[in-house]
Amino acid sequence: DTAVSQTPKYLVTQMGNDKSIKCEQNLGHDTMYWYKQDSKKFLKIMFSYNNKELIINETVPNRFSPKSPDKAHLNLHINSLELGDSAVYFCASSQRHSDGYTFGSGTRLTVV
Amino acid sequence: AQKVTQAQTEISVVEKEDVTLDCVYETRDTTYYLFWYKQPPSGELVFLIRRNSFDEQNEISGRYSWNFQKSTSSFNFTITASQVVDSAVYFCALSRNDYKLSFGAGTTVTVRA
Repeated sequence: DTAVSQTPKYLVTQMGNDKSIKCEQNLGHDTMYWYKQDSKKFLKIMFSYNNKELIINETVPNRFSPKSPDKAHLNLHINSLELGDSAVYFCASSQRHSDGYTFGSGTRLTVV
Repeated sequence: AQKVTQAQTEISVVEKEDVTLDCVYETRDTTYYLFWYKQPPSGELVFLIRRNSFDEQNEISGRYSWNFQKSTSSFNFTITASQVVDSAVYFCALSRNDYKLSFGAGTTVTVRA
C-alpha cells in the first residue's frame, strides 16, 4: 500500500496547456507539501497545507494553484504551462516537521 | 535564514571503498532537525535518517553512519564498504519549526564495480 501516491508519473504536454497533478497520502498526516526538483536536482518547496489550510506559499508564479479538498489530498494545478515548468514535482507529507517527510515517487513534467 | 551546503558535487569511488559526504548547515534556531535522503537513479526520495539538534550522538545503521557536530554545524554521512547499489544522489536537509524542509544541492555518488 503506497504511503504517498502521485498521479500521473509522467506528463508530457504542450506550452500553454493547463494540467493537474494529484497527490494522496494514507498515513494520516496533517501536513502535505509540493516540492519542485529542477534539472540540476535542486529541491525547493513550493506549497504546504496543514489540515487543508495553506501555510507555506513560496515565490511561485500564480499560474500554480494548489488545492486541498481534505487533509489526505493535495493537488497541484498549473495554468498556461511554460517550457521552464519542466521539472519533477514531488508531493510529501508529515505529521510533524520534526518527524521527517514521506515523499511520493514524483511526477516528471515535460513541457514541449 | 537557513542554509544547507553540500560542497561535494560528485564523488566517484571503487566498490568497497568508504565514502564520506559532507553537510554544513546554518541556522539561528536552537531547535532544528537534520535529515539525509537518498535519490537512486529510479528517482524516488528515500528517507535515511533524522537527527534533532539536542541529540549529538553519532549513529550507525549497517554500512551507514552519521557524525553530527554542533560545534562545526556539520552532519556528515559515511558509507562504509560501498556497493554499486549505493550509487545515487544524496541530500542533506534542515527543518525548523516552520515546516520548511531546506535541502542542500545534493552529492552524486557513483560506485564503480
